[in-house]
Amino acid sequence: GDSVTQMEGPVTLSEEAFLTINCTYTATGYPSLFWYVQYPGEGLQLLLKATKADDKGSNKGFEATYRKETTSFHLEKGSVQVSDSAVYFCALSVYRGSTLGRLYFGRGTQLTVWP
Amino acid sequence: DAGVIQSPRHEVTEMGQEVTLRCKPISGHDYLFWYRQTMMRGLELLIYFNNNVPIDDSGMPEDRFSAKMPNASFSTLKIQPSEPRDSAVYFCASSFSRRELFFGEGSRLTVL
Repeated sequence: GDSVTQMEGPVTLSEEAFLTINCTYTATGYPSLFWYVQYPGEGLQLLLKATKADDKGSNKGFEATYRKETTSFHLEKGSVQVSDSAVYFCALSVYRGSTLGRLYFGRGTQLTVWP
Repeated sequence: DAGVIQSPRHEVTEMGQEVTLRCKPISGHDYLFWYRQTMMRGLELLIYFNNNVPIDDSGMPEDRFSAKMPNASFSTLKIQPSEPRDSAVYFCASSFSRRELFFGEGSRLTVL
């Protein structure tokens, strides 16, 4: 079945450090891949997405590249800020014809950035 | 534009009571989703609707849970009777066609 596995947290970094959060997926079709972010006390927000192999999604300094050969979609940021502290979710959806597929989420990775 | 609106934001109730959570999706969106978030199980899709019609309710835990969408601007998730293991944050999300999901701020339920 379709699923997403992301690295366990929590991840604790100092400001300006480099961030990588690993995400791998299993899908029966051709998935679209997403990273969502959840700030404390809020709902999830779409951070970035990629809809086909080799696409790179980017937003707010975060990037992730859709790697079909390694079935991965790792999230990276070159220099994190305290305001990036949040929970990050990797997700996938496989569209089937004209029907929006289910969105499968990973377990989430808590990121804490210290000044 | 208003986002997805959920109510109540917090609910504390006693075991056995009925709980009703409400959601107003973004106007014009044709998909509505109910998710549950717990530390143990992460985010779980409970049910989703397309044009007010339930498409997949395989994630609904058991018969105590029910969801309705009487019109395009309103949905409810009901738990009757509630149990302590139902304590979680319940999120509603809406989407237009194949595009991104917009989540509400969640309803935090505590069942004592």
